[in-house]
Amino acid sequence: AQTVTQSQPEMSVQEAETVTLSCTYDTSESDYYLFWYKQPPSRQMILVIRQEAYKQQNATENRFSVNFQKAAKSFSLKISDSQLGDAAMYFCAYDSSGSARQLTFGSGTQLTVLP
Amino acid sequence: NAGVTQTPKFQVLKTGQSMTLQCAQDMNHNSMYWYRQDPGMGLRLIYYSASEGTTDKGEVPNGYNVSRLNKREFSLRLESAAPSQTSVYFCASSETGVSYNEQFFGPGTRLTVL
Repeated sequence: AQTVTQSQPEMSVQEAETVTLSCTYDTSESDYYLFWYKQPPSRQMILVIRQEAYKQQNATENRFSVNFQKAAKSFSLKISDSQLGDAAMYFCAYDSSGSARQLTFGSGTQLTVLP
Repeated sequence: NAGVTQTPKFQVLKTGQSMTLQCAQDMNHNSMYWYRQDPGMGLRLIYYSASEGTTDKGEVPNGYNVSRLNKREFSLRLESAAPSQTSVYFCASSETGVSYNEQFFGPGTRLTVL
């Protein structure tokens, strides 16, 4: 079974600065997807970014980018020019490409943005 | 387009009571999921339904039952609630036939069992 580990329960960043959230995972599969989801105080889960394992190029979405290291099984999220609205719980998730199609989530990192 | 809707948003039960959490999606997705979220543990899969008429257990199915009523609706039932089932419950849906399993989530139900 796959496991996803987020070793930073809490992080803080100054507004306009850059912060990196860490995620590692364990799998024996070669083909899979990884996601970062954001959960603001409203509780609504929002997809931030997606990475396909077969792509060497790191995904980017505006101020959000990932550092995907397949050999190290590492998938970190970088938030540039942090804004107050980025304050949320962030979850890393693993998507097996197999038939079960289940997402395995990490325990989350609570991000605080300081004005 | 409402996406994924859940009812109720909040619920307080006494130990031993039963209730059903409702979920509906209007995106014509085949797959639907029920998760629970507990502090420090992320989201854990309770049950999922890959298509209408099928359901399968996830990581933490004990104490729950599900019904895939039709393609749109997927309900979660607690037959005899226990304090350990105090949690936030999320329903999600996703397409099948695509390469990645992007799931769309409802707003959640906060359940307290006294």
